[in-house]
Amino acid sequence: QVTLRESGPALVKPTQTLTLTCTFSGFSLSTSGMCVSWIRQSPGKALEWLALIDWDDDKYYSTSLKTRLTISKDTSKNQVVLTMTNMDPVDTATYYCARSPVGLGYFDLWGRGTLVTVSS
Amino acid sequence: EIVLTQSPGTLSLSPGERATLSCRASQSVSSSYLAWYQQKPGQAPSLLIYGASSRATGIPDRFSGSGSGTDFTLTISRLEPEDFAVYYCQQYGSSPQTFGQGTKVEIK
Repeated sequence: QVTLRESGPALVKPTQTLTLTCTFSGFSLSTSGMCVSWIRQSPGKALEWLALIDWDDDKYYSTSLKTRLTISKDTSKNQVVLTMTNMDPVDTATYYCARSPVGLGYFDLWGRGTLVTVSS
Repeated sequence: EIVLTQSPGTLSLSPGERATLSCRASQSVSSSYLAWYQQKPGQAPSLLIYGASSRATGIPDRFSGSGSGTDFTLTISRLEPEDFAVYYCQQYGSSPQTFGQGTKVEIK
């Protein structure tokens, strides 16, 4: 069974750095073509793609957020980690990780998401 | 960056009716690399269509996708009660991949 699960703090203060972990099972991120992305959704808003890491450790970032984002993977632990610096209340959102099985493509499986609130 | 514009913003229909959702891109989407997702309240999105017209595993055939270039359509032939949700399109033909703002299909 293929699953993804996001974990991290529910509350962060403005200016702090957010670290989120996606733990997955049922597939390997060393398989050719496999990618994992982070996507967020502010309350009542649309989906926003943030970052992607592929099987070859290539990384891609949202144009508007790339200076604040870092994505990395630990293949042995089946984990992908996203850090976002200088958090602001506008970054309050549900953060999802999702799998793309065929490179920079569609997302066939998603985690349940984790709500992160930015407030002092 | 390719901007996707979905219309209408809200579609009010009755069960059994046909739903037609539009997704228009600001530039041509290469190789029809367009996907559609369904999102129900409190849930993550789930994949319906990829490659503009291929149904994902387990998706009923009342869902169909069409289009190419800059104009794409998701059609639900006969709405079932479980189909009332928000639908998003996504292009993955060029980086960064982008999503539309969504169409809500609500019960009339």
